[in-house]
Amino acid sequence: GNSVTQMEGPVTLSEEAFLTINCTYTATGYPSLFWYVQYPGEGLQLLLKATKADDKGSNKGFEATYRKETTSFHLEKGSVQVSDSAVYFCALTSGVINTGTASKLTFGTGTRLQVTL
Amino acid sequence: DGGITQSPKYLFRKEGQNVTLSCEQNLNHDAMYWYRQDPGQGLRLIYYSQIVNDFQKGDIAEGYSVSREKKESFPLTVTSAQKNPTAFYLCASSLGPGYNSPLHFGNGTRLTVT
Repeated sequence: GNSVTQMEGPVTLSEEAFLTINCTYTATGYPSLFWYVQYPGEGLQLLLKATKADDKGSNKGFEATYRKETTSFHLEKGSVQVSDSAVYFCALTSGVINTGTASKLTFGTGTRLQVTL
Repeated sequence: DGGITQSPKYLFRKEGQNVTLSCEQNLNHDAMYWYRQDPGQGLRLIYYSQIVNDFQKGDIAEGYSVSREKKESFPLTVTSAQKNPTAFYLCASSLGPGYNSPLHFGNGTRLTVT
């Protein structure tokens, strides 16, 4: 079956430091890959996505590149801010085309990021 | 503003009681989902629905039930058969169709059963 593995947290960084959160996956077919972010007390928000190999998703200074050869989708940001403190989830959907309306996501366990001044 | 509303934010129940969590969306999305979030385990899919009056079990459906009588609403009932119901429950929706439509989440309901 599908699975997503994320690095253990928490990741603690000083403001303006470089961020990498590792994500690797196993999946059949050609999955789409996502990063979601969860701020304290809230639900998840889509941060970025990539739907095919070598695609780069980007948003709010965050980037991730879909690497099929290494089955990875690592999240990066060049300079983090205190406001980036949150839990980040890597996720994928099945590569099998779903003719219905639902997207069945498989999530990683999440990585907590703490950014300090 | 369009979005997903989950209520209540916090819910407390005694063991042995059924409890229903509300989820309403005004995004006109076809698909809706319920996830459970536990510390260190990420999100696990309980049930999902692709259309009104239709729903399918996810990975951990035992002890839960749902209904989808209206497009906007997808309530989740946590029954007394659920062995470990204390958790953070997240409702989501997606526009569809297809497998790469992003999910939109509500702000969750934290259920505590004692």
